[in-house]
Amino acid sequence: KAGVTQTPRYLIKTRGQQVTLSCSPISGHRSVSWYQQTPGQGLQFLFEYFSETQRNKGNFPGRFSGRQFSNSRSEMNVSTLELGDSALYLCASSLFAHQETQYFGPGTRLLVL
Amino acid sequence: AQSVTQLGSHVSVSEGALVLLRCNYSSSVPPYLFWYVQYPNQGLQLLLKYTTGATLVKGINGFEAEFKKSETSFHLTKPSAHMSDAAEYFCAVTAGGSQGNLIFGKGTKLSVKP
Repeated sequence: KAGVTQTPRYLIKTRGQQVTLSCSPISGHRSVSWYQQTPGQGLQFLFEYFSETQRNKGNFPGRFSGRQFSNSRSEMNVSTLELGDSALYLCASSLFAHQETQYFGPGTRLLVL
Repeated sequence: AQSVTQLGSHVSVSEGALVLLRCNYSSSVPPYLFWYVQYPNQGLQLLLKYTTGATLVKGINGFEAEFKKSETSFHLTKPSAHMSDAAEYFCAVTAGGSQGNLIFGKGTKLSVKP
């Protein structure tokens, strides 16, 4: 069974731009969560989607948003990029919402210049 | 609120030596606990997890962890380190209640000397 896939793997943007990252969960998994990883703040939860609905949200500004499609694929969008948004963005999937075991993708590394 | 503390941001061991990575948690509800490993430029791979039942949990690659409620600890061990174990290790706890997101520790980078 294929794992979680994320595209693109690497991305370079400039301040003020916006970016969209994509995540395809493991086949059959219906929940997708997003995390941001930075050297300073570590791994922080962004949001969780299940059945196309946001079920849980972390403490991030409204510039960070996401959505989930009927096939469980998810996208996250960051608008008006700031230098501090440079990070590894990790997507994780699980069978159901609030499911304890999450399986992570390889991440998208975003660099904001 | 739930939180995780990993003692030691860097741990160095010799090949063949015992690996011990420490994790303490704070949780207002019965916790689900996890250890993940991250190799350079990769995502997180689940090593093992504790949900309920047996407190000694065995994972992949020879790692195990013991849930000690009285000490609020979930330390990760491996009897004999291998060069391929060099990576960053993260302890995590679920947020609890209706929130299934993971709360991570800051991570411990493990170096293995030949």
